[in-house]
Amino acid sequence: NAGVTQTPKFQVLKTGQSMTLQCAQDMNHNSMYWYRQDPGMGLRLIYYSASEGTTDKGEVPNGYNVSRLNKREFSLRLESAAPSQTSVYFCASSEKTWRSGYTFGSGTRLTVV
Amino acid sequence: KQEVTQIPAALSVPEGENLVLNCSFTDSAIYNLQWFRQDPGKGLTSLLLIQSSQREQTSGRLNASLDKSSGRSTLYIAASQPGDSATYLCAVRADSSYKLIFGSGTRLLVRP
Repeated sequence: NAGVTQTPKFQVLKTGQSMTLQCAQDMNHNSMYWYRQDPGMGLRLIYYSASEGTTDKGEVPNGYNVSRLNKREFSLRLESAAPSQTSVYFCASSEKTWRSGYTFGSGTRLTVV
Repeated sequence: KQEVTQIPAALSVPEGENLVLNCSFTDSAIYNLQWFRQDPGKGLTSLLLIQSSQREQTSGRLNASLDKSSGRSTLYIAASQPGDSATYLCAVRADSSYKLIFGSGTRLLVRP
C-alpha cells in the first residue's frame, strides 16, 4: 500500500510564483487534509475536505486554495508565493468516522525566496 | 478552544531506560488521541490510536494510556534504543469536523 503520496518532495519558488502541491491516497478514505509544519509553531491545519465535493478552511488558510479533484486527490495551490509560506507541507487522510486515525504523507519541503 | 501540550520539549536518556512522554489537552470532549513519531526531515508515522472509550493501547515496546477526565495521555517506551530517537507528537480529534489538533512534540534522544 502506498498510503498517502505527495508530490513534489522539494520545491524552491521565487516570490510571486504559483504552484500546486499534489496529494493522492489509495485507502478509499473520505476525508483529506493539508497541514503546514513550522519550527516553534507545530502542525497547523490549512484546509480540509470532509468528503468529496466539500472543502473548508482550517486555522491558516490565507494565501492558499484547494481542490478536491475526486475521492483520491486533494491539491493545494499557492497563487502568489510569499517567503512566509516557506514550510513543510503535509497531506493526510482519514475515514469519515470519529473513530478513525489519520495517515500522513511524507511531506513537501517548500522554500520561497 | 482545544489546546494540546507536550512536556518535556526535549528528553535525553541512556539506552535501555524506560521512559514516559506526556501529553495534556484542555477539553476532555475528545473522540480519540493519536501518537505519532517523526524522524528528522520525514513525515509522521502513526504509532498508536486510543479511542475515547479506551484506557490504553499497546504495540510492542510502546504503551499509551488515556485519562480523558483529567485531560492526559502518556506514551511509555520500554527498554529504549537509539533507534527510538525521534520527535513524538500527540494529537486529539476533538469535534465532528474530524480535525486533528497537535501538540508541539517531545524530541527524544536515546544515547548509546
